[in-house]
Amino acid sequence: QPVLTQPPSASASLGASVTLTCTLSSGYTDQKVNWYQQRPGKGPRFVMRVDTSGIVGGRGDGIPDRFSVLASGLNRSLIINNIQEDDESDFYCGAEHGSGSNFVALFGGGTKLTVL
Amino acid sequence: RLQESGPGLVKSSETLSLTCSVSGGAITSSSYYWGWIRQPPGKRLEWIASIHFGGSTRYTSSLRSRVTISVDTAKNQFSLRLTSVTAADTAMYYCARHLTGIRFDSWGPGTLVTVSS
Repeated sequence: QPVLTQPPSASASLGASVTLTCTLSSGYTDQKVNWYQQRPGKGPRFVMRVDTSGIVGGRGDGIPDRFSVLASGLNRSLIINNIQEDDESDFYCGAEHGSGSNFVALFGGGTKLTVL
Repeated sequence: RLQESGPGLVKSSETLSLTCSVSGGAITSSSYYWGWIRQPPGKRLEWIASIHFGGSTRYTSSLRSRVTISVDTAKNQFSLRLTSVTAADTAMYYCARHLTGIRFDSWGPGTLVTVSS
């Protein structure tokens, strides 16, 4: 099963852009990844899904088009443009692998985004 | 749309029981599973189990021997039982709608469960 690795923290100034990266373990170059946003005190919400070609399907409910994704090798990145105060959140990547009794859903350790 | 409920404090070695109430849609939708995910303090999200209204279940291997997930279609609810809890089971517990194999696309606000000795 894949391992998902995220840097623990990132920061960006109001109005700037930031790239949050999720790195898959070796051998999982075709793995699709989901991004989730968790605001303080709230449950996570689905942001969007990314495969080797980019976004898969649409953005989650209420996710503005300032959010986009990019894939390169084992990296699955979430890009946020024109950062706003309420973007300050924990961002998690997640992946699902296998089927039946071998099915597993996994998450990265999360990146805490601070808006300066 | 999803709301967790259950005791916030459970004694060590006892059984943790949580319920997720689903509103705004039928739990009998054939497209979805319904899942539980937890997050211990300072740690990453951990998927626990998912269930389809038809009875198909999936469990994470590390908790399989202690976990039971069930669904009550009449009440539009699904539930989690975790037996023989220890301090390591202290976590925020979330329920979510699970487009299995794809994503968790709607989450509850979570409920904090603390295991006391």
